[in-house]
Amino acid sequence: EVQLVESGGGLVQPGGSLRLSCAGSIFTFSAYWMHWVRQAPGKGLVWVSRINSDGSSTNYADSVKGRFTVSRDNAKNTLYLQMNSLRDEDTAVYYCAREVAAAEMDVWGQGTTVTVSS
Amino acid sequence: QSALTQPASVSGSPGQSITISCTGTSSDVGSYNLVSWYQQNPGKAPKLMIYEVSKRPSGVSNRFSGSKSGNTASLTISGLQAEDEADYYCCSYAGSSTSHVVFGGGTKLTVL
Repeated sequence: EVQLVESGGGLVQPGGSLRLSCAGSIFTFSAYWMHWVRQAPGKGLVWVSRINSDGSSTNYADSVKGRFTVSRDNAKNTLYLQMNSLRDEDTAVYYCAREVAAAEMDVWGQGTTVTVSS
Repeated sequence: QSALTQPASVSGSPGQSITISCTGTSSDVGSYNLVSWYQQNPGKAPKLMIYEVSKRPSGVSNRFSGSKSGNTASLTISGLQAEDEADYYCCSYAGSSTSHVVFGGGTKLTVL
């Protein structure tokens, strides 16, 4: 079964850093654009970032631009999200997702929880 | 880029049909046939229900259908079932010069 598995979430203080990972399996990871989407507690889905299939092009939501960096290692079938200068409002469940067409995501991971708090 | 506008909640009885609207702008929903809909149950990851406005992924019931008119997309669920109770989100491509991807605020569907 096609699968995405996130890891790396946890508790971090404001101003701190965290790196999330998303491992893909049972599909040709290197052929797909990938996204990060987050969901704050009790709130809706919010798009965070996306990266093209070879990692040469990235896009970010204004709220994370300059603080978050998306990357991928196709040899390891893994997507990353480096999060720096974390703020309370970054607290959320972070999902990675596979893009089937522009902005349309057909496979999602189970999510990893990031809590920013002192 | 503002979120797409969805009603906070809708409800219907088993067997009935309901429609959830998703209003954007001429920069997103109105410009691209790249509107998707996701179903999310509590504590679970979203599930793709509709893509490219009206297409259903394999395995999704044909009770789910999508459409678009101008800047507004819609998700219709016919023959409501208790298992349809969930949160539903629309999403649109918003172009490479803006925020690229925008979600709606979500709609809670209650099956009475």
